Amino acid sequence: KQEVTQIPAALSVPEGENLVLNCSFTDSAIYNLQWFRQDPGKGLTSLLLIQSSQREQTSGRLNASLDKSSGRSTLYIAASQPGDSATYLCAPLNTGFQKLVFGTGTRLLVSP
Amino acid sequence: GAVVSQHPSWVICKSGTSVKIECRSLDFQATTMFWYRQFPKQSLMLMATSNEGSKATYEQGVEKDKFLINHASLTLSTLTVTSAHPEDSSFYICSALQTPYGYTFGSGTRLTVV
Repeated sequence: KQEVTQIPAALSVPEGENLVLNCSFTDSAIYNLQWFRQDPGKGLTSLLLIQSSQREQTSGRLNASLDKSSGRSTLYIAASQPGDSATYLCAPLNTGFQKLVFGTGTRLLVSP
Repeated sequence: GAVVSQHPSWVICKSGTSVKIECRSLDFQATTMFWYRQFPKQSLMLMATSNEGSKATYEQGVEKDKFLINHASLTLSTLTVTSAHPEDSSFYICSALQTPYGYTFGSGTRLTVV
């Protein structure tokens, strides 16, 4: 059974800092891994999708890396802004399954 | 990219009544949709997998007679909370998979049962 852990659980930083959010998963037989953000009381917004054959994906100030063999993914946020404040969730998709498994998330607060 | 529309965004109902939540894929066909429930400050919990034209698959511990799922077309899945009680108050979110965009989520429905 896939288990996902995200560290840290919460993070509070001043604006402008570069951030690293960590995600680890127990079953490395994944098809892909997706990073999402969730604003309070809202649904999930997809940020990045990394296929199992890829090492990283970039979108603007976001960069996600994947080390499938060690069961780890990292989301790097450059030059953080108050608008980045949200909960960040990683979700690996196991090979042969369609169900996403979510970590508990990292609650990020970026102060002006 | 893929867009999933979920309605209503919030609903208040009386205890004992039923509430229907709709999830639509706007620009793609979704043979499979997923329904999640989320309690405050907790992660998403998968309730069921909705399959177009067939019965939904429920996760362990989820009452299928209480949470009725219908996926009658390739763009619409509905979740009906029957005989709602205050403990059913929660945030419900649907999602669908569209290759190569991955999973797309609806904006969620805040259900309050009074």
